[in-house]
Amino acid sequence: QLQLQESGPGLVKPSETLSLTCTVSGGSISSSSYYWGWIRQSPGKGLEWIGSIYYSGSTYYNTSLKSRVTISVDTSKNQFSLKLSSVTAADTAVYYCARHLSYGPFDDWGQGTLVTVSS
Amino acid sequence: EIVMTQSPATLSVSPGESATLSCRASQSVSSNLAWYQQKPGQAPRLLIYGASTRATGIPARFSGSGSGTEFTLTISSLQSEDFAVYYCQQYNNWPPFTFGPGTKVDIK
Repeated sequence: QLQLQESGPGLVKPSETLSLTCTVSGGSISSSSYYWGWIRQSPGKGLEWIGSIYYSGSTYYNTSLKSRVTISVDTSKNQFSLKLSSVTAADTAVYYCARHLSYGPFDDWGQGTLVTVSS
Repeated sequence: EIVMTQSPATLSVSPGESATLSCRASQSVSSNLAWYQQKPGQAPRLLIYGASTRATGIPARFSGSGSGTEFTLTISSLQSEDFAVYYCQQYNNWPPFTFGPGTKVDIK
């Protein structure tokens, strides 16, 4: 059974870089056809796709965040990571990692991790 | 970018009744539409994909229909565990994937 688990600091200072890692267990991140994505949800708000990565390293970003986002993959550790630079209070959210096919829904999700941006 | 809208924002339903939720896309997404259920403090759970195919383990009381720009999620005979927020999402044209703002189904 595939499991995804987010990890990283729960508090980040304004203007600094938010860094999160998603560890995949019960399956290989190198599985063909699957992409690995990050989605966030601001308190009391809806869902916003941040970006996705294929195990080969190909990345796809939401243009609204593209200038500040980097997603990377470490196949040896079965992990992928998110970096979001120059954060502000507007980046306070629950961050989820999830799996999807190229043209498919997000079928497996991590439990989510709350990141608060505050000094 | 494809904009997803959902209606109503809130739906009050009595247990045992049915609920009909709507989702509209700003342009055609064919049948590449998913529905998710989210309960407080939990991650979204995939209910429906391909507009009408139930995900693994999803009860038959959940059904999806539609194609193009108009979609419907129907929950028949609502159970207590069905009171939650429901989101639609298109995966036909990405990036970006886009979600609707959600419909909250609460107890009448």
